[in-house]
Amino acid sequence: DAGITQSPRHKVTETGTPVTLRCHQTENHRYMYWYRQDPGHGLRLIHYSYGVKDTDKGEVSDGYSVSRSKTEDFLLTLESATSSQTSVYFCAISRQGGGETQYFGPGTRLLVL
Amino acid sequence: AQSVAQPEDQVNVAEGNPLTVKCTYSVSGNPYLFWYVQYPNRGLQFLLKYITGDNLVKGSYGFEAEFNKSQTSFHLKKPSALVSDSALYFCAVSSLSYNTDKLIFGTGTRLQVFP
Repeated sequence: DAGITQSPRHKVTETGTPVTLRCHQTENHRYMYWYRQDPGHGLRLIHYSYGVKDTDKGEVSDGYSVSRSKTEDFLLTLESATSSQTSVYFCAISRQGGGETQYFGPGTRLLVL
Repeated sequence: AQSVAQPEDQVNVAEGNPLTVKCTYSVSGNPYLFWYVQYPNRGLQFLLKYITGDNLVKGSYGFEAEFNKSQTSFHLKKPSALVSDSALYFCAVSSLSYNTDKLIFGTGTRLQVFP
């Protein structure tokens, strides 16, 4: 999985609790992305980062925040988890933007009760 | 707005037969097109992409795709299917006129190859 790890790989939490997912890369790629995968929707972009401390919203960013304080780590935070955020979350990286291939991590399965 | 459609939720094919997984797109300007494959409980793996140049793109594991601008399609093909090709396939698109950093994915097509 292209030098990308995600932690945790599985998490069960309760509605209203904060949750942070971590993506770590060893490729020194500039761009990092967070997606969620849901049946019938494919993958949808939540947020992405084009450099340290540089982030932008995707198509489903409500209820999520991100931070990138160093090149190798990209954190996704659910400030107050809701059942609608139950999903599989994938991190991806690319060397640059602009049509560069994105490489995906193994995913985190999140269940919000 | 840009979008991508995979009109078939599932495609069934016998081993050894040719396979096609369909993808159509809607963007302003020139598209960047991608195919990914997902095996059970795994992340997505890159298969191939079209940015510019030859309309026929060859990728990993014997897959290829043809960019057809007039039909706004980018169908994935393989001449002879293997049982091990059974997986979930995603088409994705971005474009300069929208934001090339942002990929829009289709809903996926499940390919089932029968022995």
